[in-house]
Amino acid sequence: KAGVTQTPRYLIKTRGQQVTLSCSPISGHRSVSWYQQTPGQGLQFLFEYFSETQRNKGNFPGRFSGRQFSNSRSEMNVSTLELGDSALYLCASSLASQTNTEAFFGQGTRLTVV
Amino acid sequence: AQSVTQPDIHITVSEGASLELRCNYSYGATPYLFWYVQSPGQGLQLLLKYFSGDTLVQGIKGFEAEFKRSQSSFNLRKPSVHWSDAAEYFCAVESPFGNEKLTFGTGTRLTIIP
Repeated sequence: KAGVTQTPRYLIKTRGQQVTLSCSPISGHRSVSWYQQTPGQGLQFLFEYFSETQRNKGNFPGRFSGRQFSNSRSEMNVSTLELGDSALYLCASSLASQTNTEAFFGQGTRLTVV
Repeated sequence: AQSVTQPDIHITVSEGASLELRCNYSYGATPYLFWYVQSPGQGLQLLLKYFSGDTLVQGIKGFEAEFKRSQSSFNLRKPSVHWSDAAEYFCAVESPFGNEKLTFGTGTRLTIIP
């Protein structure tokens, strides 16, 4: 069974640009969550999508947005990039059933803003 | 809001020695508890999880963790470490009510010396 796939693995963008990251969850998983990992702030929750609806949201500015498609694939968008957005962005998928919320992580997208 | 504290930023142990990584959480009820491991440049791999029931949980790679409600702790242990265990370890909590996703500790970096 294929794991969580994130594309691209590496990305370099310029300040002020926007970027879209993609995440394909494990087949059958309906929940996709996004996390930002930086040396200074550690791992922080961005948002969760379930059945194409945003179900939970972390404490990030509106420049960070996402969506989920009917096949559960998810995209995350960051507009007007800032240097501080440089981070490893991790996607996790889960069944999100009542008794099993185990999250499986992708390898991440390393975003560098210059 | 839930929170996690990992008091040890960096731990060094000799190969073959025992290991204990500390984790304390703050949450109004008993949360779901997880330990993840991350190798450099990689995503997160789940070592073990606690949802309910037996407070001693066995995981992959010979790791175990014990949930202690009275101490709000979920410490990770391994009786004999291997050089391949060198990595960063993250403790995480999640609300069992689905309204808060994974909250991670700041991580403990484990170095193994021969």
